[in-house]
Amino acid sequence: RKEVEQDPGPFNVPEGATVAFNCTYSNSASQSFFWYRQDCRKEPKLLMSVYSSGNEDGRFTAQLNRASQYISLLIRDSKLSDSATYLCVGFHAGNMLTFGGGTRLMVKP
Amino acid sequence: NAGVTQTPKFRVLKTGQSMTLLCAQDMNHEYMYWYRQDPGMGLRLIHYSVGEGTTAKGEVPDGYNVSRLKKQNFLLGLESAAPSQTSVYFCASSPGTMTYEQYFGPGTRLTVT
Repeated sequence: RKEVEQDPGPFNVPEGATVAFNCTYSNSASQSFFWYRQDCRKEPKLLMSVYSSGNEDGRFTAQLNRASQYISLLIRDSKLSDSATYLCVGFHAGNMLTFGGGTRLMVKP
Repeated sequence: NAGVTQTPKFRVLKTGQSMTLLCAQDMNHEYMYWYRQDPGMGLRLIHYSVGEGTTAKGEVPDGYNVSRLKKQNFLLGLESAAPSQTSVYFCASSPGTMTYEQYFGPGTRLTVT
């Protein structure tokens, strides 16, 4: 079993929709989590950090449920520019990141 | 401030050839990392460094070597390339243990035939 698992998608949503991705993790020692965004053929870039129960930044909300070992990312009012792959990432001691395989989002006009 | 840069951007090798990928960062970061990304596999850590002169193995180190002679540079070497090493290679850096965000370079697309 992968340490961080994501539904690869793609999630096809119309512009303006609300979409949510879930990510499950198996290492209960993971201290914090991140959502990275990766555009096609580009490098990953940090979208949000999740250190406690959750974080909100504009249209983006991330929530962490340690009891059930999952992290979610909610995107409200989807824009065409939100189309990308979203990577769920767990952090361990020693400054190591473990990446999920990514969830692909396609926002249609 | 260029951030993290990688050289080359693309490369095609024949099986058995060797090459070195160069990563450079101008943010004075202590930690540097080499990842490979394959379809459906996510990013996997090859080697990493917690400071100048130190390196350590990651999840998939076999077939690769690294060196960190200068703080700003992290080199990834392939001594005898194999088709299984066809991948996209990303370098990343981070300030240290108090800040977890990693900054990535643009990647190197390597094909081994």
